[in-house]
Amino acid sequence: AQKITQTQPGMFVQEKEAVTLDCTYDTSDPSYGLFWYKQPSSGEMIFLIYQGSYDQQNATEGRYSLNFQKARKSANLVISASQLGDSAMYFCAMREGRRNTGFQKLVFGTGTRLLVSP
Amino acid sequence: DAGVTQSPTHLIKTRGQQVTLRCSPKSGHDTVSWYQQALGQGPQFIFQYYEEEERQRGNFPDRFSGHQFPNYSSELNVNALLLGDSALYLCASSPTKLAGVTDTQYFGPGTRLTVL
Repeated sequence: AQKITQTQPGMFVQEKEAVTLDCTYDTSDPSYGLFWYKQPSSGEMIFLIYQGSYDQQNATEGRYSLNFQKARKSANLVISASQLGDSAMYFCAMREGRRNTGFQKLVFGTGTRLLVSP
Repeated sequence: DAGVTQSPTHLIKTRGQQVTLRCSPKSGHDTVSWYQQALGQGPQFIFQYYEEEERQRGNFPDRFSGHQFPNYSSELNVNALLLGDSALYLCASSPTKLAGVTDTQYFGPGTRLTVL
């Protein structure tokens, strides 16, 4: 079974600084996808960034980038130039699915709470 | 373009009662997945619906059931509620690619269920 581990329960960063949120994963499937979601206190899970296991380059989306190290099975999220509005829970997730069925589900880590201070 | 919508936003029930939660997927999405998120935890997969059928189910008892309608909207029903069913219930929708593979899942705001 696939597993996602987020070892940082909480992280603090000052506004305008960069921060890295850690995520390691475990899977025996050579084809997989990794996602990061942001969950503000309102509860909605907001999709941030996606990395496919066969993607040659690290994914980037605006201020978000994914530091994908396949050999180490890590997919860390880097947020550059932090803003007060970045304060939220951040979840790393892996897409798990049965081949040739079209079915896929997400397996989530326990999350990291990020607090951005002025 | 409306995103995923869920109703109601909050719900309070007592043990033993039944509850129905509703979800409308993002425009163009045909697959709906339901997740349960207990306090302080990551979401846990309940089940997924595609073409009005349950495609896969997570480790949840039969008290949890669902339905998908021809317009792709979905319902989650929970019978004989327990205190432990108190959680945030998230609905996620995704499009199915031509090869039959689902794409990125987009989540709704969730329904917060409290069982007393």
